[in-house]
Amino acid sequence: DAGVIQSPRHEVTEMGQEVTLRCKPISGHDYLFWYRQTMMRGLELLIYFNNNVPIDDSGMPEDRFSAKMPNASFSTLKIQPSEPRDSAVYFCASRLTAGSEQYFGPGTRLTVT
Amino acid sequence: DAKTTQPPSMDCAEGRAANLPCNHSTISGNEYVYWYRQIHSQGPQYIIHGLKNNETNEMASLIITEDRKSSTLILPHATLRDTAVYYCIVSAGGTSYGKLTFGQGTILTVHP
Repeated sequence: DAGVIQSPRHEVTEMGQEVTLRCKPISGHDYLFWYRQTMMRGLELLIYFNNNVPIDDSGMPEDRFSAKMPNASFSTLKIQPSEPRDSAVYFCASRLTAGSEQYFGPGTRLTVT
Repeated sequence: DAKTTQPPSMDCAEGRAANLPCNHSTISGNEYVYWYRQIHSQGPQYIIHGLKNNETNEMASLIITEDRKSSTLILPHATLRDTAVYYCIVSAGGTSYGKLTFGQGTILTVHP
């Protein structure tokens, strides 16, 4: 398996623009997680899905952030409108129900100017 | 989830064992100890986890004290590529979902 795939790997955008980050989990995994990492706050869980259903979105910072999982092999994290403080590395991870470890993707480095 | 305490940084000579400690004095009976690491600019990588028995895999060994209030991750023969941030996390595991809450971790530097 290719592992968790994220795109784009780097994104530079201007304040106010819409940003969409994409994730393809490992085939057969039924949990999907979105994290954000900054120097100030470290690695934070934003939201997670189980069987394509959002279970806990308490980590989503505000209404500008939204996440969807239309099917088992694809998820998106959207920021609209983007702000400079959204600049961070966003990681996607997946896991099996019966397994314990999460597998992380390579991340998307977002810069909002 | 129980909180963990780790030293902010440690050094280790290449080829020697690296012993990374973690305190988790408020751990509950159903909570596992997980270790992940993050090499610069990469996503976190799972290393090992355990409940109360010592565990070993191809990457590392995990030693958990009998009272489960602390643990040690052991990299038996550290290499330069083991330089990374190591996170000790306590969370419910197994077949039930456990939220992973990452702290600041320990920056391990392996030097020649």
